[in-house]
Amino acid sequence: AQKVTQAQTEISVVEKEDVTLDCVYETRDTTYYLFWYKQPPSGELVFLIRRNSFDEQNEISGRYSWNFQKSTSSFNFTITASQVVDSAVYFCALISSGGGADGLTFGKGTHLIIQP
Amino acid sequence: GAGVSQTPSNKVTEKGKYVELRCDPISGHTALYWYRQSLGQGPEFLIYFQGTGAADDSGLPNDRFFAVRPEGSVSTLKIQRTERGDSAVYLCASSLSGGPGTEAFFGQGTRLTVV
Repeated sequence: AQKVTQAQTEISVVEKEDVTLDCVYETRDTTYYLFWYKQPPSGELVFLIRRNSFDEQNEISGRYSWNFQKSTSSFNFTITASQVVDSAVYFCALISSGGGADGLTFGKGTHLIIQP
Repeated sequence: GAGVSQTPSNKVTEKGKYVELRCDPISGHTALYWYRQSLGQGPEFLIYFQGTGAADDSGLPNDRFFAVRPEGSVSTLKIQRTERGDSAVYLCASSLSGGPGTEAFFGQGTRLTVV
């Protein structure tokens, strides 16, 4: 069975602070993909990043960076110099290539509030 | 726009009624997914179509839920004898070819309220 845990239900920071959203996953498969999605109040899930299990390189995209560590089954997401527009619910998700369900397994999400 | 379109955006129905939710995927996308998102939770997978066929319906909660995609584009999620517990946001997503590593594009969802 697969599982994604986002232990932080809600995080509130002041604008320009850095913030890290945690994601821990469980899977028995050796080949899998991890994702982060952003869900603004409009409700539409916006794709941020995809990582496969064989690529542990960290990635940086503008103010966003991701730290993938297989040893701790974690795929954490950091926003540097946060902005009010970053306020949203962020979901970490997992899918395996091992023949399980073909849909993503999502965590419960972290509600990020950036205060001006 | 060329995104995933879902209609209606909101649906209120009485317990026991039948409802249909529609999803228009991005043109050319062969893979289509339905998810259900309850309040304060992450989306839960319901069903995956590759073309016209349901390749994986393991997430459908019971036989009151059914989905079709007869021409390989638009999909309809059908719920019979609705119950209050069916109240949720139903999300549709599509991707170019399916497969676990493919980016899926989501619609804005249909908020279903069963009263």
